[in-house]
Amino acid sequence: RKEVEQDPGPFNVPEGATVAFNCTYSNSASQSFFWYRQDCRKEPKLLMSVYSSGNEDGRFTAQLNRASQYISLLIRDSKLSDSATYLCVVRSNYQLIWGAGTKLIIKP
Amino acid sequence: GAGVSQTPSNKVTEKGKYVELRCDPISGHTALYWYRQSLGQGPEFLIYFQGTGAADDSGLPNDRFFAVRPEGSVSTLKIQRTERGDSAVYLCASTPAQDSGNTIYFGEGSWLTVV
Repeated sequence: RKEVEQDPGPFNVPEGATVAFNCTYSNSASQSFFWYRQDCRKEPKLLMSVYSSGNEDGRFTAQLNRASQYISLLIRDSKLSDSATYLCVVRSNYQLIWGAGTKLIIKP
Repeated sequence: GAGVSQTPSNKVTEKGKYVELRCDPISGHTALYWYRQSLGQGPEFLIYFQGTGAADDSGLPNDRFFAVRPEGSVSTLKIQRTERGDSAVYLCASTPAQDSGNTIYFGEGSWLTVV
């Protein structure tokens, strides 16, 4: 079993729709959680950190469920520019463990 | 610029050749990471430096891979006797300190193709 698992997709979503991704992790001692965005042939870029209380940044909402060991990302009112791969990242001490990413395609 | 700089951005080499990939982290960042990312996968940890020393090299796949950071700044990833399976993008990242996981900064990567 991988340490961080994500549905690879692709998720094909019409512009303006709401889309949600989940990610599960196996190490219950993990300390920090993040969502990164990666465009084709580009490096990953931090989208947002994920906090236990849940957090929102504009159209993006992240949730953490420590008991069930999963993280979610919700994108509302999706834009064409949201098309990318979304990587779930779990940190334990200095180590970052990456999911394989979920590919999102927003269609006009 | 002020970001993490990686060279070369693209490298095509023949099987069996030796390759060096260079990373110039953000000035003052003490922690430096190397990752490898294959198509359709997330980045895979290779090695972590804190200052000049390799604090964790457990991700290096075999003894053909080696990395140095002699002065605690620039790092070089060295791959000997390259194999086709080494083809991937090699990502370097740096952070101000080892516990700053939410401020990790990536370079644009070195795209290695072994033919």
